[in-house]
Amino acid sequence: DSGVTQTPKHLITATGQRVTLRCSPRSGDLSVYWYQQSLDQGLQFLIQYYNGEERAKGNILERFSAQQFPDLHSELNLSSLELGDSALYFCASSVGETTREQFFGPGTRLTVL
Amino acid sequence: EDQVTQSPEALRLQEGESSSLNCSYTVSGLRGLFWYRQDPGKGPEFLFTLYSAGEEKEKERLKATLTKKESFLHITAPKPEDSATYLCAVVFYGGSQGNLIFGKGTKLSVKP
Repeated sequence: DSGVTQTPKHLITATGQRVTLRCSPRSGDLSVYWYQQSLDQGLQFLIQYYNGEERAKGNILERFSAQQFPDLHSELNLSSLELGDSALYFCASSVGETTREQFFGPGTRLTVL
Repeated sequence: EDQVTQSPEALRLQEGESSSLNCSYTVSGLRGLFWYRQDPGKGPEFLFTLYSAGEEKEKERLKATLTKKESFLHITAPKPEDSATYLCAVVFYGGSQGNLIFGKGTKLSVKP
């Protein structure tokens, strides 16, 4: 158990819908990262927050957005969902702003029908 | 162009048959190289961090080494419970803060 929690574990929804994924980092970690893992693309970095502020963006679509709240938990919002958005979404956390080790949560499996 | 390449894509070993997994990277200014283990449907589990060429880290049957352009994960006398996908990731100076660039992984199967 990494200490990073994610909810829900599974999410099934329809195209065009909007969903919210939630992540709580390890105690003491200030950075939260979101990754997408699909079969053909592997693990892809989406976005990083540090102590409530956006720090880095990767291959994140404009339909996706995230935020980190004062209690340091983070939410990833996915809207206008398409079939291709079906994937595993992982949250990771680390102590600092630039990396040492990142510890991953168990993931949310999103299925868009 | 892939910045992190792992080989082989898949590896089948008999229990006790030692081998090595390779991770090569093309980025310059390596800040750190990370190895993770991932079981099906689970989140990656952190194994090692390597920062400079010549560095080595060990944990049970696993040993990670780093050169200027690649890293190896050596598995000594593997057991069936070592079966998993092993992921390599890098962070480099000039990249987006601390985000990890992952390879596609090596799927290891260890048969009893």
